[in-house]
Amino acid sequence: KAGVTQTPRYLIKTRGQQVTLSCSPISGHRSVSWYQQTPGQGLQFLFEYFSETQRNKGNFPGRFSGRQFSNSRSEMNVSTLELGDSALYLCASSAGQHNEQFFGPGTRLTVL
Amino acid sequence: GQQLNQSPQSMFIQEGEDVSMNCTSSSIFNTWLWYKQEPGEGPVLLIALYKAGELTSNGRLTAQFGITRKDSFLNISASIPSDVGIYFCAGPPAGGTSYGKLTFGQGTILTVHP
Repeated sequence: KAGVTQTPRYLIKTRGQQVTLSCSPISGHRSVSWYQQTPGQGLQFLFEYFSETQRNKGNFPGRFSGRQFSNSRSEMNVSTLELGDSALYLCASSAGQHNEQFFGPGTRLTVL
Repeated sequence: GQQLNQSPQSMFIQEGEDVSMNCTSSSIFNTWLWYKQEPGEGPVLLIALYKAGELTSNGRLTAQFGITRKDSFLNISASIPSDVGIYFCAGPPAGGTSYGKLTFGQGTILTVHP
């Protein structure tokens, strides 16, 4: 079975721009979670989608949003980028049992 | 919010040595997960624990779910250079709405000297 894939792997943007990141979960997994990883804050939960519905959300500003499509693929969007948004953005998928999550390789976002 | 305290923060060991790291929480967890992350990659799930007192092995790795449900331990035996990486404990917060949300420890950076 193919693992979780994320595109693009690397992205450079400037302040004020917006960005869209994509995630394809493991086949059959319907839950997709997004995390932000930074050296200072570690891994922080952004939001989770299941069957195209956001079921849970972390403590991030409204500039961070996401969606899930009927094929379980998910995208997250960050608008009005700030320097502090530079991070590794990780997507994880789960079959929903026991909360085991399987991560993709991440998208490294650099905001200049 | 709930936090996981992971220790030690870093370890420098010689190849062949055994490694122990642990994770504690002020709240109970119903599941404990251990991940390893290498540079430029996402975390890889190593071991999942579901019951208090459970002891589970995956090759040279052994993890235990503490009986208080507030801690977990990971041991690596006979370390090798490819064990280098950052090890994270994680779990879904008990109670309330925790769909898809894992809380992570700060990570243990493991360096293995040949």
